[in-house]
Amino acid sequence: GAVVSQHPSWVICKSGTSVKIECRSLDFQATTMFWYRQFPKQSLMLMATSNEGSKATYEQGVEKDKFLINHASLTLSTLTVTSAHPEDSSFYICSALNRAGEKLFFGSGTQLSVL
Amino acid sequence: AQKITQTQPGMFVQEKEAVTLDCTYDTSDPSYGLFWYKQPSSGEMIFLIYQGSYDQQNATEGRYSLNFQKARKSANLVISASQLGDSAMYFCAGDSSYKLIFGSGTRLLVRP
Repeated sequence: GAVVSQHPSWVICKSGTSVKIECRSLDFQATTMFWYRQFPKQSLMLMATSNEGSKATYEQGVEKDKFLINHASLTLSTLTVTSAHPEDSSFYICSALNRAGEKLFFGSGTQLSVL
Repeated sequence: AQKITQTQPGMFVQEKEAVTLDCTYDTSDPSYGLFWYKQPSSGEMIFLIYQGSYDQQNATEGRYSLNFQKARKSANLVISASQLGDSAMYFCAGDSSYKLIFGSGTRLLVRP
């Protein structure tokens, strides 16, 4: 079964609203999680590294005020797309690092459509 | 910094035949890892195989094997005995402290 749960799988929202996406490690503690974005027929682009108990590290060109990341517990990281616009429509996918086994597990992704 | 290059946007292979998907990398890190993932139309990322830079032997996982040539900085994925279910996008990725940098992907279509 899945070891990383990502919710919701898909979401449709109106322009200007905020959307929260959850990434949860189910049977291990993940002090580090990663958020990726994938436009149609393109590759995954790393957006940010989410660190439990500290601020996220954003990749160049990613607006931290636009994409709020919170990693308040050892099993949960959230990505909030604030004031979403149609150009934010994309597939968002997280991964969680299991340091005990030095393995990376991906969530199933969230398809965001902003109308 | 890592850079991953996949030069084949799309590939066809006949069912039951083998296929090689190309991947080259560029990194200044002395220690790194290379991954291959499969992404079906559902979007999930399925881990296939991993090769560490210090691994002496090429990695193998069932029908998947990695042709790792350090001097050429290539890490090609070989899929043997292709199955219809292998049709998907395939991404090569390199890691730096577990941050994965992905190539542009190769769409593989297996013909019956």
